[in-house]
Amino acid sequence: DVQMTQSPYNLAASPGESVSINCKASKSISKYLAWYQQKPGKANKLLIYDGSTLQSGIPSRFSGSGSGTDFTLTIRSLEPEDFGLYYCQQHNEYPPTFGGGTKLELK
Amino acid sequence: EVQLVESGGGLVQPGRSLKLSCAASGFTFSDYNMAWVRQAPTKGLEWVASISYGGSNTHYGDSVKGRFTISRDNAKSTLYLQMDSLRSEDTATYYCARPYYSGGYFDYWGQGVMVTVSS
Repeated sequence: DVQMTQSPYNLAASPGESVSINCKASKSISKYLAWYQQKPGKANKLLIYDGSTLQSGIPSRFSGSGSGTDFTLTIRSLEPEDFGLYYCQQHNEYPPTFGGGTKLELK
Repeated sequence: EVQLVESGGGLVQPGRSLKLSCAASGFTFSDYNMAWVRQAPTKGLEWVASISYGGSNTHYGDSVKGRFTISRDNAKSTLYLQMDSLRSEDTATYYCARPYYSGGYFDYWGQGVMVTVSS
């Protein structure tokens, strides 16, 4: 199985700042990486797929980059609603595997 | 609006069985593959099982293979997960999720249902 490693584990930032979350695959997954946001009491939300394609309805302050084994989720000009947990997932091969998560907290 | 609503969770003793359901609405259920993903307390997400849109093809994670069975009733727009021989390590929130066709990523998720395996 493809192992996905996210960093950092925790991230503290203030509204208006920009942050980046990294995801590393144990082998090449081409461009096939998705990012999700998880918040208490809400359904997980798909943010980005295919490494950099923004899901419909997701604000343009979210962006994804990378290919092969190294990927980054960038959130520009953080809004209060952006704080929560973020997960990456490779969708290149079975089984789909997820990173361990990054908790984005209010500084 | 796409909605996925899980039910059937609860407290169950080790070795016993439980069946989860996921009621889907807002899309043509029979057109989509479906999946279950779980999350143990304070842990990350783990894919559990997937089923093709017609129900003929299923895939399972190694940790549940031989114990869990995914199925669907397209007439009722409902997804199921039969969980047998439950273990303490199966304690988790179970999410119903819709893979985007053959894309392999999950474009819609339910809010999850908690399963606790404990004596």
